[in-house]
Amino acid sequence: EAGVAQSPRYKIIEKRQSVAFWCNPISGHATLYWYQQILGQGPKLLIQFQNNGVVDDSQLPKDRFSAERLKGVDSTLKIQPAKLEDSAVYLCASSSPTVSSGNTIYFGEGSWLTVV
Amino acid sequence: GDSVTQMEGPVTLSEEAFLTINCTYTATGYPSLFWYVQYPGEGLQLLLKATKADDKGSNKGFEATYRKETTSFHLEKGSVQVSDSAVYFCALRNIQGAQKLVFGQGTRLTINP
Repeated sequence: EAGVAQSPRYKIIEKRQSVAFWCNPISGHATLYWYQQILGQGPKLLIQFQNNGVVDDSQLPKDRFSAERLKGVDSTLKIQPAKLEDSAVYLCASSSPTVSSGNTIYFGEGSWLTVV
Repeated sequence: GDSVTQMEGPVTLSEEAFLTINCTYTATGYPSLFWYVQYPGEGLQLLLKATKADDKGSNKGFEATYRKETTSFHLEKGSVQVSDSAVYFCALRNIQGAQKLVFGQGTRLTINP
């Protein structure tokens, strides 16, 4: 079974530029999450989708961050304009409440962003 | 709100030493508890989990027991290896609400040969 796919793996941009990250969840997983992991800290949830609807975006900085999951499958997270403090790893994850998976949340390898 | 507190790192041990990484939580209701591991340059991998009080999760020689009375989920391993060097995250997931994972700050573990 293929895991959660993310791209790009690494990105370096200048402040005030824009960047977009893409995520393809595990096939059949209705729930998709974007987490931000700043160096030395635990991951923090940015946004959670259930199919193509937003369940929780309370910690998403909406003045500069946006995310969409138009067809309920893959998702894009955008930052515009980027700030230095956005340097972090952006983790995508997915889950499905089936007996076989036990509603476990599976993570991708992350997209590493450096803002200079 | 829900929160997780882990022992601060970094932790450095010699190979074959006994490992304990402390984790305590605050949550409403009865959350599920998890340990995730992050090897250098990789994403988060689920190490073990426990879904109710007194459950013991185990994997790869690691164990953790869900202690409701002390709101703890300490990670233990009897004999660590160099390959166990990684960052370990304790997390909870409340069955109420949006069911998101809430993470601790992580503990960096280094095992020396």
